[in-house]
Amino acid sequence: EPEVTQTPSHQVTQMGQEVILRCVPISNHLYFYWYRQILGQKVEFLVSFYNNEISEKSEIFDDQFSVERPDGSNFTLKIRSTKLEDSAMYFCASSGLAGGPILSTDTQYFGPGTRLTVL
Amino acid sequence: GQQVMQIPQYQHVQEGEDFTTYCNSSTTLSNIQWYKQRPGGHPVFLIQLVKSGEVKKQKRLTFQFGEAKKNSSLHITATQTTDVGTYFCAGRRLGFQKLVFGTGTRLLVSP
Repeated sequence: EPEVTQTPSHQVTQMGQEVILRCVPISNHLYFYWYRQILGQKVEFLVSFYNNEISEKSEIFDDQFSVERPDGSNFTLKIRSTKLEDSAMYFCASSGLAGGPILSTDTQYFGPGTRLTVL
Repeated sequence: GQQVMQIPQYQHVQEGEDFTTYCNSSTTLSNIQWYKQRPGGHPVFLIQLVKSGEVKKQKRLTFQFGEAKKNSSLHITATQTTDVGTYFCAGRRLGFQKLVFGTGTRLLVSP
């Protein structure tokens, strides 16, 4: 069964450093997402990406964050200058099959996550 | 903004007992999805409910979507130790793709 993959599984960085989290969505999906989960808390939406542009973003997704689809398979989340409060699990998800309609009922499939620790 | 709350936050049951988690949204939803997250794991999709009043079953799990499409519940009959994890509901509003996750209910099952 196709899966969303993410690398690295764990990233440790110093406060103020830039990090790039990588995701490979399911190959024929069209919608891509980033969510985060601070330890012990709920999953929070950050951003969605469709047709090479951001389609929705939350108030968490400020100027320190950016997303990119640099090629046909990868989807990245960049945090320019990390803060202590950015420490969390970051999940990538994808949905929406190519060739079909984009529905608000499309299932989102989550990757295993990247644990980001900012020291 | 849209809020999705779940109760209880935590429940500890003996194996064989039933379990229910309730999900309430501050806004009307287009659809609701349920996910299970094992400790240290990622959210795994369980089911989606779309229609008002819809009830779906998966073996020992029963999912309901409220008539007003603002609440939902997940009921597990005769829990097993493999049911351990946190159960999240996640709602979507019409016209939006993003999921707004509930606060989650952590289930612990003792043998």
